[in-house]
Amino acid sequence: ETGVTQTPRHLVMGMTNKKSLKCEQHLGHNAMYWYKQSAKKPLELMFVYSLEERVENNSVPSRFSPECPNSSHLFLHLHTLQPEDSALYLCASSQDYHQPQHFGDGTRLSIL
Amino acid sequence: AQTVTQSQPEMSVQEAETVTLSCTYDTSESDYYLFWYKQPPSRQMILVIRQEAYKQQNATENRFSVNFQKAAKSFSLKISDSQLGDAAMYFCAYRSADSNYQLIWGAGTKLIIKP
Repeated sequence: ETGVTQTPRHLVMGMTNKKSLKCEQHLGHNAMYWYKQSAKKPLELMFVYSLEERVENNSVPSRFSPECPNSSHLFLHLHTLQPEDSALYLCASSQDYHQPQHFGDGTRLSIL
Repeated sequence: AQTVTQSQPEMSVQEAETVTLSCTYDTSESDYYLFWYKQPPSRQMILVIRQEAYKQQNATENRFSVNFQKAAKSFSLKISDSQLGDAAMYFCAYRSADSNYQLIWGAGTKLIIKP
């Protein structure tokens, strides 16, 4: 069982829909991350949370809204997405900033 | 700003042979960390190996080793005795010792293992 679990594994949605991606880590880590992975491009860091407080928002459009209710759970709320938002969304966690990040299997998002 | 370049979009190797994946980076800092991650078709990004810039000794993890050339800003990954399970995307990443969480990623190299 992976230490970082992401659901759903696949998601297809229209541009007017509202959906949420969920990430749960079972490692007792204090930091959690959302990344966007597009084909043939480097991973893009979207959001970072440390001890449930957001510490980084890399100029992400407001149609992406993160939520971290506790140190084990991280959500990414989606609304009014664009076709270019189709990508693999990866969640990661780490004990602290200096430790390696552990990743989930990602959610493959397709926007119709 | 730091950048990470992986110049090989795709590499192939015969099973049981050795392959080297290249990575170069650009930075003005002297203290940093470098990583190789593996992403198989299952999509989970898995840490393969880590190198601290202040350590001259190259990191090794079983069949995986790196050739860290600090002056040349080069960080290549060598995979010995390649196995079918090594087939994956491999990503090189950089983290400044000061900027804590921010990882700078390369675009990846797809490794194909020929049986």
